[in-house]
Amino acid sequence: QVQLVESGGGVVQPGRSLRLSCAASGFTFSAYAMHWVRQAPGKGLEWVATISYEGGNKYYADSVEGRFTISRDNSKNTLYLQMNSLGGEDTAVYYCARDRSYYGSGRNGMDVWGQGTTVTVSS
Amino acid sequence: QSALTQPASVSGSPGQSITISCTGTSSDVGDYKYVSWYQHHPGKAPKLMIYEVSNRPSGVSNRFSGSKSGNTASLTISGLQAEDEADYYCSSYTSSSLYVFGTGSKVTVL
Repeated sequence: QVQLVESGGGVVQPGRSLRLSCAASGFTFSAYAMHWVRQAPGKGLEWVATISYEGGNKYYADSVEGRFTISRDNSKNTLYLQMNSLGGEDTAVYYCARDRSYYGSGRNGMDVWGQGTTVTVSS
Repeated sequence: QSALTQPASVSGSPGQSITISCTGTSSDVGDYKYVSWYQHHPGKAPKLMIYEVSNRPSGVSNRFSGSKSGNTASLTISGLQAEDEADYYCSSYTSSSLYVFGTGSKVTVL
């Protein structure tokens, strides 16, 4: 069945780096834009980044621009989020999500979500 | 990009209808059809309930409906059921940064 499974979360010290992965299965991964969304403790959902289906276009929230990098390997059906210079404000559950539209623009809504991976930034 | 504004909480009795508002600007909600709504039960993955303002994905109950007027989008849940108790978020495409979510609304079934 259609599934997204995140991994790579954990406890990391401020200023360090972490890379999240999202393994996709059950659909043609290379045909869909993909997103990262996070939820800090006690807060709402926050869009983090989006990558187009072929990987050529990437978009970031102002809060992570210049520190986070979204990428994908369509041969491995895997989405990544490289997070550098982490701070306490990055502590959150990170979800990967599929854009709804086949070969779409990445603005069509997120119809498949993973269960999330938790990132805790603490010394 | 500031979050879209939603009421913090909305409540209703079983069988009633409730409406959740989502207010943005002419740079997001007001100017694009790309408004979505998500249901989020704590500890679970969010679920897409409405896309492109008023369209329901396959499998979503027709008790959920969406609309938009000017800079404000709305989600209406009719025939409220206990299982509808959750957090609800709107989101919109925005010309400035691609996506923005709403502040979230906690729906309580009395």
